[in-house]
Amino acid sequence: AQSVSQHNHHVILSEAASLELGCNYSYGGTVNLFWYVQYPGQHLQLLLKYFSGDPLVKGIKGFEAEFIKSKFSFNLRKPSVQWSDTAEYFCAVREGFQKLVFGTGTRLLVSP
Amino acid sequence: EAGVAQSPRYKIIEKRQSVAFWCNPISGHATLYWYQQILGQGPKLLIQFQNNGVVDDSQLPKDRFSAERLKGVDSTLKIQPAKLEDSAVYLCASSLDFGVTIYFGEGSWLTVV
Repeated sequence: AQSVSQHNHHVILSEAASLELGCNYSYGGTVNLFWYVQYPGQHLQLLLKYFSGDPLVKGIKGFEAEFIKSKFSFNLRKPSVQWSDTAEYFCAVREGFQKLVFGTGTRLLVSP
Repeated sequence: EAGVAQSPRYKIIEKRQSVAFWCNPISGHATLYWYQQILGQGPKLLIQFQNNGVVDDSQLPKDRFSAERLKGVDSTLKIQPAKLEDSAVYLCASSLDFGVTIYFGEGSWLTVV
């Protein structure tokens, strides 16, 4: 069965700091990879996704993620965070049309 | 475009009572999902419908949880009787026919006391 690991449960950064959130998954076949974000009091929103092609994926609000197949990783990055990026971030993996499997999430707090 | 609609947003019930949540997916989305998100964990799929048929309900606790999507549009998730450990956010989501991108509603927060 697939599993998704997010290494950091809580991250605290100052504004303008760089962000990298780790995500590793267990399945070795062809997968679709996602990062979702949940702002306080809001629903889960798709931040970015990788299906195929260029392993560097750009999403909304300046986020990007890099798929490294050899490391089974899909880390999320942002060069300079803002206070408004305070949220919970979930990595998720889907094999074909099977169920979407989520990691446990990383809570990011950005201090102004 | 309207998103996934869920109600009620918040519900507090006593253990052994019953509760029902309603979901209306994005128009035209044939696939509907119910996820359970317990505090501190990622969402976990309870059940997936394709139109009005069940595709995956392997993680649905069938002794107390039930879900239906009779007309292939909106759906209801019921818990009876509720247990303390059912306290969670119940997320409804939808996608195009087995579409890879899944869109989530705002969730229904359940507290069982």
